[in-house]
Amino acid sequence: EPEVTQTPSHQVTQMGQEVILRCVPISNHLYFYWYRQILGQKVEFLVSFYNNEISEKSEIFDDQFSVERPDGSNFTLKIRSTKLEDSAMYFCASRTETSDYEQYFGPGTRLTVT
Amino acid sequence: RKEVEQDPGPFNVPEGATVAFNCTYSNSASQSFFWYRQDCRKEPKLLMSVYSSGNEDGRFTAQLNRASQYISLLIRDSKLSDSATYLCVVNLVSSGSARQLTFGSGTQLTVLP
Repeated sequence: EPEVTQTPSHQVTQMGQEVILRCVPISNHLYFYWYRQILGQKVEFLVSFYNNEISEKSEIFDDQFSVERPDGSNFTLKIRSTKLEDSAMYFCASRTETSDYEQYFGPGTRLTVT
Repeated sequence: RKEVEQDPGPFNVPEGATVAFNCTYSNSASQSFFWYRQDCRKEPKLLMSVYSSGNEDGRFTAQLNRASQYISLLIRDSKLSDSATYLCVVNLVSSGSARQLTFGSGTQLTVLP
């Protein structure tokens, strides 16, 4: 069964450093998403991406964040200058163009900012 | 008011028990509804979509009441492997077409031997 994959599984970085989180969505999916989950809290939407551009973004997704689909398979989330409060699990998700809007999640990248 | 509200639990039930989870959502224009399960430190996994007519998948039954803005999940004959956090998820109407998901905080279930 096709799966969303994410790398790395765990990233440790120092405050102020740039990080890039990588995702490979399911191959025939057209909508891509990033969510985050701070430890002990709920899953929160960050950004959606369709047709090579951002479709929607939340208040969390400020100028420090960017997304890119550099080729036909990868989907990346960049945080330019990490802050302590960026420590969280970051989940990538994707879906097809169907009416049910079911999204399938990758295993996540645990980001620890020290 | 929270967009999606759930009883956080925890629910501790013996194997074989029937357990029900409830969820309310605040936006009456919401269009799609789901139950996801999340194991500790893992990704949310789609359990089932929820339809107004109600739907069943084996031991799991989901119901949607649009008038009351209420969603439920019933698990019959619970197994140890059902232990997880159950997330009520709503697809809110937005100006774009991407339809991001809005998650509840989850209800923790532990099935005891």
